[in-house]
Amino acid sequence: AQKITQTQPGMFVQEKEAVTLDCTYDTSDQSYGLFWYKQPSSGEMIFLIYQGSYDEQNATEGRYSLNFQKARKSANLVISASQLGDSAMYFCAMRGYGGYQKVTFGTGTKLQVIP
Amino acid sequence: DSGVTQTPKHLITATGQRVTLRCSPRSGDLSVYWYQQSLDQGLQFLIQYYNGEERAKGNILERFSAQQFPDLHSELNLSSLELGDSALYFCASSVGTGSYEQYFGPGTRLTVT
Repeated sequence: AQKITQTQPGMFVQEKEAVTLDCTYDTSDQSYGLFWYKQPSSGEMIFLIYQGSYDEQNATEGRYSLNFQKARKSANLVISASQLGDSAMYFCAMRGYGGYQKVTFGTGTKLQVIP
Repeated sequence: DSGVTQTPKHLITATGQRVTLRCSPRSGDLSVYWYQQSLDQGLQFLIQYYNGEERAKGNILERFSAQQFPDLHSELNLSSLELGDSALYFCASSVGTGSYEQYFGPGTRLTVT
């Protein structure tokens, strides 16, 4: 079974500051992928970043980076230089590979960027 | 615009009824995923199809069923609707079955009265 835990229901960050959104996971799979999605108030889901369980380097996509600590089973999202448009819900998710695998999402963190 | 289309955008129906939600994946994508997002359950994975075949199954109720057609569009059928089925239903697509990047559609807002 897979489980994703996001312990921060809501967070505030000052514009232009960096912020870390926490995500821990639990799985018995040897091979899996970790994802972050952004959901603005408009409702759409936007893919941000991906980390494979065997990737040795932390994933980065522009201002987004994923701090992957496999031994701790954590996959925190770091947003650098926060912008007002970053205000949204952020979801961490995972999926196993091979066989019949489902996708599991966390409960989300609501980020608000303050001017 | 992700390239994934979903119809209808909004749907209001009564308990006990049956509805069909439709999804067209991005051009070239073979996998379609269905998700349900509600306030009490959060975002739940329902089911995945890859090139017409069921590939993964999540928390999908027996009253719900889905299929993917030869032209790769997919339909999610919800029957014997209950008030608790009111939610935002997302469809997403990806190139392959193990692909990491899923592109989400705008969702269908279902309200059961």
